[in-house]
Amino acid sequence: QVQLQESGPGLVKPSETLSLTCTVSGGSINSYYWSWIRQPPGKGLEWIGYIYYSGSTNYNPSLKSRVTISVDTSKNQFSLKLSSVTAADTAVYYCVRDRGYVDYWGQGTLVTVSS
Amino acid sequence: DIQLTQSPSFLSASVGDTVTITCRASQGISSYLAWYQQKPGKAPKLLIYVASTLQSGVPARFSGSGSGTEFTLTISSLQPEDFATYYCQQLHSYPLIFGGGTKVEIK
Repeated sequence: QVQLQESGPGLVKPSETLSLTCTVSGGSINSYYWSWIRQPPGKGLEWIGYIYYSGSTNYNPSLKSRVTISVDTSKNQFSLKLSSVTAADTAVYYCVRDRGYVDYWGQGTLVTVSS
Repeated sequence: DIQLTQSPSFLSASVGDTVTITCRASQGISSYLAWYQQKPGKAPKLLIYVASTLQSGVPARFSGSGSGTEFTLTISSLQPEDFATYYCQQLHSYPLIFGGGTKVEIK
């Protein structure tokens, strides 16, 4: 059973960079796409971007200028960096296995942008 | 980008009812649609993918249908644990897009 776990700071200051890491257990990160999805409090779901285990990426155009997703296959981890954050980036961030549809989700981590 | 419109946004139903949620796409997406269930404080759970394929472990009272631009999620004989918010998601092309959600509450 594949499990995903997000980790990283729960509070980020405006204009700084949000950084999260997802650790995949119970299976290899190889041969799949891995995405980040976020959900502002009380709102819907927004796909941020994906990375393939080989390192190829695809980002949501709405966030592309601020997003970097990377992978470390030796650690079975992938990471998200979102720069120049504002209050609008406050959300629960999920790391997921992306097959076009999402079959495995992390539990989610709330990141609040506030000074 | 493809846009998805779910209706209704909210529905009130009783245990044992059959409910139907609709998802309309702004352009044809063949059968490339998934449905998720989300309970408060939890991650979404995959119910159905490619419009009508039931994810392993999901009860058979959940069913999906449709193709092109109009899709439905049907829950037959609603159970207490089915009260949640449901989202559709298109997997035809990136960026992945989710519908706005349908909250199913107890009448």
